[in-house]
Amino acid sequence: AQTVTQSQPEMSVQEAETVTLSCTYDTSESDYYLFWYKQPPSRQMILVIRQEAYKQQNATENRFSVNFQKAAKSFSLKISDSQLGDAAMYFCAYRSIYTGNQFYFGTGTSLTVIP
Amino acid sequence: DSGVTQTPKHLITATGQRVTLRCSPRSGDLSVYWYQQSLDQGLQFLIQYYNGEERAKGNILERFSAQQFPDLHSELNLSSLELGDSALYFCASSVGASSYNSPLHFGNGTRLTVT
Repeated sequence: AQTVTQSQPEMSVQEAETVTLSCTYDTSESDYYLFWYKQPPSRQMILVIRQEAYKQQNATENRFSVNFQKAAKSFSLKISDSQLGDAAMYFCAYRSIYTGNQFYFGTGTSLTVIP
Repeated sequence: DSGVTQTPKHLITATGQRVTLRCSPRSGDLSVYWYQQSLDQGLQFLIQYYNGEERAKGNILERFSAQQFPDLHSELNLSSLELGDSALYFCASSVGASSYNSPLHFGNGTRLTVT
């Protein structure tokens, strides 16, 4: 089974600064999809951004962007101009298209935004 | 609003009891996934259904069972409840099949407290 690793259990960033959350995954598949989800204190799971493995261009959604390095099996999330509302748990997820559309989640990174 | 509806929002019950959690997927989504999230923990995959059929099983206890009905709603049954079953239970849906870039859309979860 695929594994997703988030090596930073906790991160902090000053308001208005930039922070990068790391995610690596282990797979032998050539095609797959990657996602970042945000879970604020309300515990709702919110999709932040998605990336198709066959696309070389890194996905961007407003202040959120990814650095996708397929060969290195790395999928980091960059949050620019951090805001207090960005404080949340962030989960990286891998979607396999070969194993029944399974989603594999990392253990999460808790982001604190310092005013 | 993700379009995924979970009921009830909160459930308090005693050890040894049985409860049923209900999920209505987003319109058009055929796959339903159930996840368990204990306090300050990651997401534990329980089970997945696709168009009424079980597709994958994760760390689901034998005391737990689920099904997806012809109208695509799903129910998760938890029996002989223990204190350790207290958690937030998420239902998520996805289009499934060939729409591999479709993310998981999460409901707001059912918070189960076993006393």
